[in-house]
Amino acid sequence: EPEVTQTPSHQVTQMGQEVILRCVPISNHLYFYWYRQILGQKVEFLVSFYNNEISEKSEIFDDQFSVERPDGSNFTLKIRSTKLEDSAMYFCASSTRDPPRKNIQYFGAGTRLSVL
Amino acid sequence: AQKVTQAQTEISVVEKEDVTLDCVYETRDTTYYLFWYKQPPSGELVFLIRRNSFDEQNEISGRYSWNFQKSTSSFNFTITASQVVDSAVYFCALSEGGKLIFGQGTELSVKP
Repeated sequence: EPEVTQTPSHQVTQMGQEVILRCVPISNHLYFYWYRQILGQKVEFLVSFYNNEISEKSEIFDDQFSVERPDGSNFTLKIRSTKLEDSAMYFCASSTRDPPRKNIQYFGAGTRLSVL
Repeated sequence: AQKVTQAQTEISVVEKEDVTLDCVYETRDTTYYLFWYKQPPSGELVFLIRRNSFDEQNEISGRYSWNFQKSTSSFNFTITASQVVDSAVYFCALSEGGKLIFGQGTELSVKP
């Protein structure tokens, strides 16, 4: 069963540092997403990405955040200057528009970001 | 605005009991998808089911069943004969455009 892979599983950083979270979506998927989950809370949408550009972003996704698909397989989320409140689990997801799995978002195992 | 409500924050049952997790949603879209995801203690999000707004047939998969009622905007999830391995947080989600809107989640604890 193809899966979304995320690295690292846990990232510890100092406030103000830049971090890059990496994701390898399912190979034939064209739609990519980042979500975050603050400990004990619900999963929140950050951004969606298709055809090398952002399709939609939430209010959380401010100028400190950026996404990139640097090659044919990776999808990254960069936080330029981390804040304490960026501490959360970050999930990458991917989906296809092809049946029978149309619009099903498959999630990676997540990267736990701890900002100290 | 679209919204998903899971009113049950925590549920605790004893193994082999049946349990139903409630989900109520709000949307103005006529076409939409609903989902259930499971988040076990290890933290990953596991897809369980997708339901199209045009398909109101209930679905059963082993011990899992789902009851979609458009008239009450509900998409409830029942686990029959629960097992300890079912212990997890369960999220209901609604698609809006491409993104998913999640409910707060219901933490299910199944005790032996």
